[in-house]
Amino acid sequence: QVQLQQSGAELAKPGSSVKISCKASGYTFTSYAMHWIKQTTGQALEWTGYIAPGSGGTKYNEKFKGKATLTVDKSSSTAYMQLSSLTPVDTAVYYCARRGEIRGSFAYWGQGTLVTVSS
Amino acid sequence: DVQMTQSPSYLAASPGESVSISCKASKSINTYLAWYQEKPGKTNKLLIYSGSTLQSGTPSRFSGSGSGTDFTLTIRSLEPEDFAVYYCQQHNEYPYTFGAGTKLELK
Repeated sequence: QVQLQQSGAELAKPGSSVKISCKASGYTFTSYAMHWIKQTTGQALEWTGYIAPGSGGTKYNEKFKGKATLTVDKSSSTAYMQLSSLTPVDTAVYYCARRGEIRGSFAYWGQGTLVTVSS
Repeated sequence: DVQMTQSPSYLAASPGESVSISCKASKSINTYLAWYQEKPGKTNKLLIYSGSTLQSGTPSRFSGSGSGTDFTLTIRSLEPEDFAVYYCQQHNEYPYTFGAGTKLELK
């Protein structure tokens, strides 16, 4: 069965960077784009972007260009999202997610990684 | 970006009742609307995509309708496990955008 296992919570200082991971299993990693979604306290969900593991191609929400960088390691079926120049507004839970039957609807989600930015 | 307006924000109901949640898009998204269920300690669950297509494993008491800009999620005969937060999401164009959520609480 498809599983997306994310790395643990991060506590980071303002101005620093963090890199969170999402290890995929149960399917051919290079066959599906991996998407990342931000959820802030108060529930708001924002689509951050996706990476196509086979080609390494990416597409970002304009709002997250320069903030998020998506990469993959095909050898370990792991996707990464690096968040740079962190500020308190980056404090959120970040999810990786994969489509199901149809583009853009997310049938598979990771459990989420809490990133807290605080001095 | 397509703005998704979801209502109500909170809904209180009892098991056995039927409820409806509305989601309105700021422009036409054809039928590309998904509904998700969020529960503590569980990964988010896709219930419906393309407006009305039930994801495999979604109980038949859930239904989705609508096209263009107006969509509705209906849950007939609520079960105890249905009390959760529900989100809509348009998957018609980038950037994909979500509604703010509806918390369905036990009355």
